[in-house]
Amino acid sequence: GESVGLHLPTLSVQEGDNSIINCAYSNSASDYFIWYKQESGKGPQFIIDIRSNMDKRQGQRVTVLLNKTVKHLSLQIAATQPGDSAVYFCAESLGSSASKIIFGSGTRLSIRP
Amino acid sequence: NAGVMQNPRHLVRRRGQEARLRCSPMKGHSHVYWYRQLPEEGLKFMVYLQKENIIDESGMPKERFSAEFPKEGPSILRIQQVVRGDSAAYFCASSPPGRMNTGELFFGEGSRLTVL
Repeated sequence: GESVGLHLPTLSVQEGDNSIINCAYSNSASDYFIWYKQESGKGPQFIIDIRSNMDKRQGQRVTVLLNKTVKHLSLQIAATQPGDSAVYFCAESLGSSASKIIFGSGTRLSIRP
Repeated sequence: NAGVMQNPRHLVRRRGQEARLRCSPMKGHSHVYWYRQLPEEGLKFMVYLQKENIIDESGMPKERFSAEFPKEGPSILRIQQVVRGDSAAYFCASSPPGRMNTGELFFGEGSRLTVL
């Protein structure tokens, strides 16, 4: 079946450096791709999404890149800060409702001082 | 504007008891979703509801689990005769009108169920 997977379960980054979190997906029919951030003990928080007809979208300190040719999604965080420590989930939406949103297992981002 | 409110935050039950988890969506949101999360795993969709209607319950176990979203009051996820395997974090989310297909969900802080 469809799945959203991640290349690395953990990522350690020096404070101030850029972070790149990668994600592979398998469903070419997905309409939207989404990144969520989940801090310890809290609920997931929407970061940014990108529609399937785009290949790049920028937010505040974050950029999402979509490569449909190789079914790859990445989240880039500029100038990583201690507050960026969390688990990051990529997800894909097949449209119509959130019941079609498939979440990956997550990447834990830790920041070295 | 309060976010998605879930209670209780922590719930301990013995095997065979019932668990009731409550969720109030954000003001103005009429769509509620329930997800289940095991430790170190992603979120698994359970059920999607609108006021007084279950839209999609394809992710919910056929037995012991039920959900409702009445005209008045919060959405309730009910687990009857709990077993140890039901121990998990249960998250509720809501979405703004017209944004359901984008995957932009607003999550509550979750209810953590422990079954002894």
